[in-house]
Amino acid sequence: GAVVSQHPSRVICKSGTSVKIECRSLDFQATTMFWYRQFPKQSLMLMATSNEGSKATYEQGVEKDKFLINHASLTLSTLTVTSAHPEDSSFYICSATSGVNSPLHFGNGTRLTVT
Amino acid sequence: QKEVEQNSGPLSVPEGAIASLNCTYSDRGSQSFFWYRQYSGKSPELIMSIYSNGDKEDGRFTAQLNKASQYVSLLIRDSQPSDSATYLCAARVSGGYNKLIFGAGTRLAVHP
Repeated sequence: GAVVSQHPSRVICKSGTSVKIECRSLDFQATTMFWYRQFPKQSLMLMATSNEGSKATYEQGVEKDKFLINHASLTLSTLTVTSAHPEDSSFYICSATSGVNSPLHFGNGTRLTVT
Repeated sequence: QKEVEQNSGPLSVPEGAIASLNCTYSDRGSQSFFWYRQYSGKSPELIMSIYSNGDKEDGRFTAQLNKASQYVSLLIRDSQPSDSATYLCAARVSGGYNKLIFGAGTRLAVHP
């Protein structure tokens, strides 16, 4: 149980284009989803917290107009990297939880390369 | 600033030995704690969760929690080379949020 599906697993795009990443909880309702970014050999960096039906809460230093998050249902959240630049190349990982006493379950991550 | 601290390692242990991973947290109101394993290039996977003081065992893994000392640990018995990974400690932020604060991770290397 507690499976989180994330896709695409890998994407290469040109600078200036936008990329959408999907995150789905397959067998539970995710009250909250989180988006993380991880650079090589560094720890997870929380980008934003997303609750179904409400606006995402972004961490300090994360541009909300660049990283658009939509949490349309209890099983789906999307992250759109708009006008991507090479410095946005990273490993993006979503996670989901069903409640305050439940652990986070992670998707398999999306490796984004912007050329 | 709420933080979770871990020794970055690497922690090197021989195959079959016990690996001991430690973590401290600053948010005294945290009630939920988690250990995740992350292989290079992969996303974290949940190993253990612990909510009460004391020990919690699951197979070769034992999590220990001491809220008074704000300390969480993970013991891995009979370590295997396949256990070589980065282990992330996480504490749930108090105050009604679902957010987890992660430590930077401890890299474990189990050598044959």
